[in-house]
Amino acid sequence: DTGVSQDPRHKITKRGQNVTFRCDPISEHNRLYWYRQTLGQGPEFLTYFQNEAQLEKSRLLSDRFSAERPKGSFSTLEIQRTEQGDSAMYLCASSKQGVITEAFFGQGTRLTVV
Amino acid sequence: AQKVTQAQTEISVVEKEDVTLDCVYETRDTTYYLFWYKQPPSGELVFLIRRNSFDEQNEISGRYSWNFQKSTSSFNFTITASQVVDSAVYFCALSGRDFGNEKLTFGTGTRLTIIP
Repeated sequence: DTGVSQDPRHKITKRGQNVTFRCDPISEHNRLYWYRQTLGQGPEFLTYFQNEAQLEKSRLLSDRFSAERPKGSFSTLEIQRTEQGDSAMYLCASSKQGVITEAFFGQGTRLTVV
Repeated sequence: AQKVTQAQTEISVVEKEDVTLDCVYETRDTTYYLFWYKQPPSGELVFLIRRNSFDEQNEISGRYSWNFQKSTSSFNFTITASQVVDSAVYFCALSGRDFGNEKLTFGTGTRLTIIP
């Protein structure tokens, strides 16, 4: 399968715990995006990488959130000291630099904070 | 700032009926791109179409068609002869050309239910 892969698909955690999600983009895509989707809403942009460089972060991304993309391949999104408001679907997408093209999305990681 | 409005929260139609999903957008960019994505229950967003702001031609792909009207800032999506498999949440999205960052601004989605 050469699509965008996210792991885990589901995560239940207790409030205050740290969680980390992983995204493997399509191999030739150098752009990678993280979005958050809450129930009944559209996805909201969180952050964006071009290769290993994190070029933009949304104001939605509080200090408890950190994203990395070492070596410009897979990316991780970590949430520290989780809160109930962090419960959402976290979507990763990738695209190829150059002529604008559609972003391809993974199936997401659904986080539930209890 | 960019904004996408999908006023229809939920739509239900009987199978084989035609249905149109509305999308209205706001942007200050002169060059921008519009998208439609489908989100089935599995959660993955499936790309349907991309349109750039310079191309106002309507497009048809099988049972799907899109009507882009720059004058009214609308990019509506019509499904002809709907099928049960079309049941999903549909999102309209907008992307500007901000230093090549193609981040998407999504609407809140329209949940489409096709009744057999």
